Amino acid sequence: GAVVSQHPSWVICKSGTSVKIECRSLDFQATTMFWYRQFPKQSLMLMATSNEGSKATYEQGVEKDKFLINHASLTLSTLTVTSAHPEDSSFYICSASVNGYTFGSGTRLTVV
Amino acid sequence: AQKVTQAQTEISVVEKEDVTLDCVYETRDTTYYLFWYKQPPSGELVFLIRRNSFDEQNEISGRYSWNFQKSTSSFNFTITASQVVDSAVYFCALSEAFTSGSRLTFGEGTQLTVNP
Repeated sequence: GAVVSQHPSWVICKSGTSVKIECRSLDFQATTMFWYRQFPKQSLMLMATSNEGSKATYEQGVEKDKFLINHASLTLSTLTVTSAHPEDSSFYICSASVNGYTFGSGTRLTVV
Repeated sequence: AQKVTQAQTEISVVEKEDVTLDCVYETRDTTYYLFWYKQPPSGELVFLIRRNSFDEQNEISGRYSWNFQKSTSSFNFTITASQVVDSAVYFCALSEAFTSGSRLTFGEGTQLTVNP
């Protein structure tokens, strides 16, 4: 079946630095990729929807300049958390929409 | 607007008990899809089931069963003879279509703890 490979699985970074999270679709082309954020003991909240070759659509309240999404190819979408702060510490997970929803394994980001 | 409500935040049962996780949804669409996912402590999302709005047949898969009732906008999930390995957070979700670009709306999740 369709697989989305997400890296890194976990990352610890210093406050003020940037972190890039990658999601690669294996053996299929992902026209659309969804990016979710999940705080502890909370649900998955959609941050943005990225479409290959076009600008991402961000949900209300999500800072587009802070969470940079790039979907330059049909097999790769990236989320860059710029100038990360401790409040950005969360679980980030991507999902490709192809014959259903295929999720990456998620990235636990800790900003210290 | 779509909305999914899982009123049970946490459920704790003893092994071998049956447990039902409730899910109520809201949508204006006549065509929609309902999902259940399991999220173990590792964080990955494990797909359990997808049901479209035109198929109200209940489904059974091993110890898992699902009851879909459009009249009450509910899609409940029952685990029979629960096991410790069933401990996880379970999410109910809704999408308006099954095409690329259709967003998935999640409920708040139910933390299930199965005690030995």
